[in-house]
Formats: sequence, C-alpha cells, structure tokens
Amino acid sequence: AQSVTQLGSHVSVSEGALVLLRCNYSSSVPPYLFWYVQYPNQGLQLLLKYTSAATLVKGINGFEAEFKKSETSFHLTKPSAHMSDAAEYFCAVSELPRSSASKIIFGSGTRLSIRP
Amino acid sequence: GAVVSQHPSRVICKSGTSVKIECRSLDFQATTMFWYRQFPKQSLMLMATSNEGSKATYEQGVEKDKFLINHASLTLSTLTVTSAHPEDSSFYICSAMRTGGNEQFFGPGTRLTVL
Repeated sequence: AQSVTQLGSHVSVSEGALVLLRCNYSSSVPPYLFWYVQYPNQGLQLLLKYTSAATLVKGINGFEAEFKKSETSFHLTKPSAHMSDAAEYFCAVSELPRSSASKIIFGSGTRLSIRP
Repeated sequence: GAVVSQHPSRVICKSGTSVKIECRSLDFQATTMFWYRQFPKQSLMLMATSNEGSKATYEQGVEKDKFLINHASLTLSTLTVTSAHPEDSSFYICSAMRTGGNEQFFGPGTRLTVL
C-alpha cells in the first residue's frame, strides 16, 4: 500500500524567504511522486513530478523537489517566496503505471501563507 | 493542451433531488477518468475510477448506487449524485488520463451544496 505524509498543515513564510514544504512517502514499489497546487475554489495544477529519472526535479513557478530514496522524502522548495505562492499544496504518490488506471494517493495538504 | 472542464462549476439543490456533474477532456481522448471529493480544508479522496465503455470501479466505502458514474465516450464522464443530502455537500473534482498516457489532468471542480 502507498501513502503520503505531509508534515505541517500550515506553513507561513515572509515574502522573499525560502519555502520548504515537507513530504514523506511509503511505497512497496518504485513510486511516481507529484506536487500539486490548489488555489481557492479551483482544481489542482501540477507543479512537478518525479518519474524515476533525475532525482532533482524542477517545476513551474520556480519550485523544485528532490527525491531522496534513503529518506523516503520528496520535499518541495522555492528559494524566494512570492505573495502569489499562497495556496494549498498537495504531495501525491502513485505506482509506476502498469496500466492506464494507476491511482494517485494524496497527502493531507499544506497551506502556505506568505507574510508581506 | 490537456484541458479538462467541469460543468457546472457550482450547484445548489434541495435535499432529495439528483444532480449531474459533467467532466470533459476538451483536447484529448481519455480512456480513464477519476472522480474525487474534497471536504473543506481536507485532501482529495478518490471516489471511483471511470473507464470508457465499462463499469466504474468504486473505492471502498463509496456507494455506487448513490454516486452513479457514466463514461459513455472518450471525452465525457458524468457523476450523478442521487437523492442528495446535506452531507453530500462537497467539492467534486474530476481528472482525465490521456489514452496511452500516465498523467492525470484535473478539472476545476464543482461545488455542490445540498440544502
């Protein structure tokens, strides 16, 4: 069975500061890992994904995440926070797809707030 | 490319009525679509996997007679909430997987409020 744990339901940083959102996963098979962002009353937008290629993955809006197998982690970072980054962030895991119907399991989410 | 739409974006209905939500892949064909529900300030919970031309696969604890799913074409899946009750009020999000692909593209969600 797969699962995702996001540490910290709410993270607040100052504008311009480093953003670090933590995610740990559990999977019995090599995983696909994702970070999604959700703005209020909207669907999910894919920020980045790890699919067993490079362990450091760069995404949109200046975000990146590093896959660390030894730590079973996939933390999301951004060097300098912007006010527009305020949103809900979800880490997610799925199996390497053997068929087109691989499920995605979502973490509980982390709300990112940016202080002026 | 890879745009998914949902209709309606917001619906309010009376208790006991049925509501249909549409999920469309606008610029690609999707053999598989997924339906999620999200309660306020919570994560997305997978309700069911919808495969074109066959019966949907429901997650444990989801009533298939309550949440009817139809995936009659490669670009459209519908979720019908039958005999809705206030506890069905939620944000329903669909996603679509391009035929032969492995990435899910998410719709903008539908806010259902049952009075």
